Amino acid sequence: QKEVEQNSGPLSVPEGAIASLNCTYSDRGSQSFFWYRQYSGKSPELIMFIYSNGDKEDGRFTAQLNKASQYVSLLIRDSQPSDSATYLCAVIVNNAGNMLTFGGGTRLMVKP
Amino acid sequence: ETGVTQSPTHLIKTRGQQVTLRCSSQSGHNTVSWYQQALGQGPQFIFQYYREEENGRGNFPPRFSGLQFPNYSSELNVNALELDDSALYLCASSLVGIHQETQYFGPGTRLLVL
Repeated sequence: QKEVEQNSGPLSVPEGAIASLNCTYSDRGSQSFFWYRQYSGKSPELIMFIYSNGDKEDGRFTAQLNKASQYVSLLIRDSQPSDSATYLCAVIVNNAGNMLTFGGGTRLMVKP
Repeated sequence: ETGVTQSPTHLIKTRGQQVTLRCSSQSGHNTVSWYQQALGQGPQFIFQYYREEENGRGNFPPRFSGLQFPNYSSELNVNALELDDSALYLCASSLVGIHQETQYFGPGTRLLVL
């Protein structure tokens, strides 16, 4: 079983809709959770981080963490064509230093 | 822009050669991590440097080695290159500390091994 799993997609949503991206992780010692956006040919760009159970909102983005169920999600409201990218979920596991463990990413396509 | 820079941007090498990639961390950051990202996959952790010492290592062979300098810049060295080493190599800088582990990536170096 992979440590961090994401549906590879593509996830296709119409412009203006809510895009929901999900990620599950296997290690209950995971303590920090990150969402990165990666455009084709570019490096990952941090969107949000979350440490505590519940929701965290930043503009059109909301990260949701449920440690009991071991999943973290990212909601993108009012999706725009410029949001089309691969979204990477990453986790830091307790006592693993500062190492990020990434999922394989979900490709999001927002259609005008 | 994250303030993390990497050089070179692209590199072509042949199998068996050696390569050195460079990274300058964001101002104020004391930790540098290196990742390898193969096409269509998520980045994989190679190793991390803190205060000029290796502070963690992923599942990579010893021919992957690194250095961190007093100004917190870093090098990744790969010896005896193999075709499977073709990938995007990412450097990320961060601060050590509880809830200060957020890592910011540089633009990457794309390595092609022929």
